[in-house]
Amino acid sequence: AQRVTQPEKLLSVFKGAPVELKCNYSYSGSPELFWYVQYSRQRLQLLLRHISRESIKGFTADLNKGETSFHLKKPFAQEEDSAMYYCALRAFQKLVFGTGTRLLVSP
Amino acid sequence: DADVTQTPRNRITKTGKRIMLECSQTKGHDRMYWYRQDPGLGLRLIYYSFDVKDINKGEISDGYSVSRQAQAKFSLSLESAIPNQTALYFCATSGSGQGDTEAFFGQGTRLTVV
Repeated sequence: AQRVTQPEKLLSVFKGAPVELKCNYSYSGSPELFWYVQYSRQRLQLLLRHISRESIKGFTADLNKGETSFHLKKPFAQEEDSAMYYCALRAFQKLVFGTGTRLLVSP
Repeated sequence: DADVTQTPRNRITKTGKRIMLECSQTKGHDRMYWYRQDPGLGLRLIYYSFDVKDINKGEISDGYSVSRQAQAKFSLSLESAIPNQTALYFCATSGSGQGDTEAFFGQGTRLTVV
């Protein structure tokens, strides 16, 4: 069965520190992976997808099929990065989400 | 921009009552989804629909039903609400094309069952 695991419920860092939000998945097919973000009082929105191989707001994520991981990284966290982050896997046309990681960036 | 709109935004209801949450979209997408969000559990899929005649159960469909009245409308009903259905509910849409897989979410409906 397809599954997305985000082991950290909360990640707290200081401004300027590097950030890595972990995501592991299990899926027998060819995975399509995403990171969604939910800022306070806003709706979920797409942050980035592995197919695009892009950097959004300084965040990057690389799909590692060997480790079945899609960790989200940013070299220097900003206070405005504080939000809830969800890793998601598209499997059989459905979008399966992890349990989310709350990122808190303190000044 | 209100491409995906959910009504109501907040609702308090009593145990045993029937309640309907509505979702409408202007994105022209075929695919629509209902999720519930609970602290520590993330988003879990309740039901999804790939077109007007297609309805599918998600991982937690018990106690819920849906209706796809039109391409743009997808309603979620709680036939007899119970307190553990208290949650934040999200509707989402996505396209069906190969490069059109981004999901767009509504602003959420906060439901409290007392």
